[in-house]
Amino acid sequence: NAGVTQTPKFQVLKTGQSMTLQCAQDMNHNSMYWYRQDPGMGLRLIYYSASEGTTDKGEVPNGYNVSRLNKREFSLRLESAAPSQTSVYFCASGTGGNSRRYEAFFGQGTRLTVV
Amino acid sequence: GDSVTQMEGPVTLSEEAFLTINCTYTATGYPSLFWYVQYPGEGLQLLLKATKADDKGSNKGFEATYRKETTSFHLEKGSVQVSDSAVYFCALTLNTGNQFYFGTGTSLTVIP
Repeated sequence: NAGVTQTPKFQVLKTGQSMTLQCAQDMNHNSMYWYRQDPGMGLRLIYYSASEGTTDKGEVPNGYNVSRLNKREFSLRLESAAPSQTSVYFCASGTGGNSRRYEAFFGQGTRLTVV
Repeated sequence: GDSVTQMEGPVTLSEEAFLTINCTYTATGYPSLFWYVQYPGEGLQLLLKATKADDKGSNKGFEATYRKETTSFHLEKGSVQVSDSAVYFCALTLNTGNQFYFGTGTSLTVIP
């Protein structure tokens, strides 16, 4: 039962460096999400993908790009990292569609520090 | 806009005490409501949910009732254990299910 798998778990970047956070799910979900978690802010949506081939901005998209590579994989890229992007990043996937049965499943998170 | 407001923490309780974590919401439609739990160093796990007014979600001794008249979804447990120490998030999603709105989280510590 892998569920949602994120890599890496920890990363330290220097300001201006780039990196890609990887996420894969094995539950055949249509919807996938990237959130960031900051103290006192809860989880804020960065980008989401309602289905393969589509992506949309969430609440805090600036400084990030995403790719929905296929139904399983949804990556998050930081082109030029900034200290303000120090955070814990969570990928999630969800059943989508009819919200009465809706659930979202989260990965273990990536703790990113930008120095 | 759509949002969730939950009780600020941290909350510290003795084992076997009664727990309430308040959550209220604002939504333009008819949301589904959730409580997620995050144990230290882990991702979020679904604790319980309710999809329509007056529904009660329950799991592991936790309960929450979807109250449309007060726009609330308060989390309760009659007798907490040390193993319940975690951060609890209230959340909602609307009909499309394409976006979750989370509260800021409430940290709970249960001491023996």
